[in-house]
Amino acid sequence: DQQVKQNSPSLSVQEGRISILNCDYTNSMFDYFLWYKKYPAEGPTFLISISSIKDKNEDGRFTVFLNKSAKHLSLHIVPSQPGDSAVYFCAASSNQGGKLIFGQGTELSVKP
Amino acid sequence: GAVVSQHPSWVICKSGTSVKIECRSLDFQATTMFWYRQFPKQSLMLMATSNEGSKATYEQGVEKDKFLINHASLTLSTLTVTSAHPEDSSFYICSARDRSGAGTDTQYFGPGTRLTVL
Repeated sequence: DQQVKQNSPSLSVQEGRISILNCDYTNSMFDYFLWYKKYPAEGPTFLISISSIKDKNEDGRFTVFLNKSAKHLSLHIVPSQPGDSAVYFCAASSNQGGKLIFGQGTELSVKP
Repeated sequence: GAVVSQHPSWVICKSGTSVKIECRSLDFQATTMFWYRQFPKQSLMLMATSNEGSKATYEQGVEKDKFLINHASLTLSTLTVTSAHPEDSSFYICSARDRSGAGTDTQYFGPGTRLTVL
């Protein structure tokens, strides 16, 4: 049972344009959501998070939107840069132990 | 952000030997650390939750006698793969939970350890 889903395994975007990565979840107990960036053979790097009491959180070029009614969150990167090329994982947790449930990841490729 | 280190970054061992991987939170105290495993082109799979001063909590299907976890201090957790076999070859990643900031509860990940069992 995949509680956190990233249905797009890959995304290709032109440099300077917006990258939108999507994530859906099924467990209504999730109340904290995170996005991580990962390069091959490295650990994930924390990017941005959002609590379920908010619907938007912004940090520089990264903005995360949360739509609780649709159980959907998205990460917007604007403008996209070639250095953003990596695998992006969304993750969710509830307040009951801190375990993170990860999506399958989306490989973003930003072309110059 | 907070820094988590892992050691070693890679290890090659013979089948039947045991391998210990260390995970340290460098600039914060972590009462909870997590151990993940990642196969190529797959998501991170949580193996166990490591709690300082108490026994680890293992996810379903993870053999606790094979993957020994010790969380001896607020900054160190170790994962020991006992009697390793080739199927244990994988990328092992730890994370540490930082709850020190107001309103934050974020896991920071180590750089990972590539284990190859011959």
